[in-house]
Amino acid sequence: DIQMTQSPSTLSASVGDRVTITCRASQSISSWLAWYQQKPGKAPKLLIYRASSLESGVPSRFSGSGSGTEFTLTISGLQPDDFATYYCQQYNTYFYSFGQGTKLEI
Amino acid sequence: QVHLVESGGGVVQPGRSLRLSCAASGFTFNRFALHWVRQPPGKGLEWLAIISHDGFKKYYADSVKGRFSISRDGSKNTLYLQMNSLRPEDTAVYFCVRVGYVVATMGPSDYWGQGTLVTVSS
Repeated sequence: DIQMTQSPSTLSASVGDRVTITCRASQSISSWLAWYQQKPGKAPKLLIYRASSLESGVPSRFSGSGSGTEFTLTISGLQPDDFATYYCQQYNTYFYSFGQGTKLEI
Repeated sequence: QVHLVESGGGVVQPGRSLRLSCAASGFTFNRFALHWVRQPPGKGLEWLAIISHDGFKKYYADSVKGRFSISRDGSKNTLYLQMNSLRPEDTAVYFCVRVGYVVATMGPSDYWGQGTLVTVSS
């Protein structure tokens, strides 16, 4: 099974900051990676798919990059609504897996 | 408008069984694969199982293989998760999730239900 490791686990930032979250796969997953945002008590929301494609309706301050085993999610110009937990997910095989999450705090 | 609505959660004793349902609407049910994903209280997301759009392919995480069974009924536009031999560590919110590519079994999860809470406790 493919293990996904996110860093950092917690990230403190301020409104207007640019932040980057990293996700590493235990083996190559090509570009089959998605990023999700989750707020307390809510279901996750798809932000990025295929490593760098922005889901419809997601603000352009979110961007993704990477391929193979290393990926990043960047948020440029943090907004108050962006403080949440972020997860990466690989879908390179039928046995999906998530990273452990990164909590973005004010 | 795509909707996924889970039901069937509740409190159950260890060793007992429970069946979750997920009623789907707003899309052609038989053209999309579906997953179950869970989240223990205060913890991260765990992928559990996936069923292909036609129901012929099913895959499970090691943590639930042999105890949980995923199925779907196209006549009712409903996804199921049969959970047997439940353990306290199965306590979680269970989400029904759609794979975002038509007839594909691998793809990003574009729509999620609101989740249903399962508590395994004596």
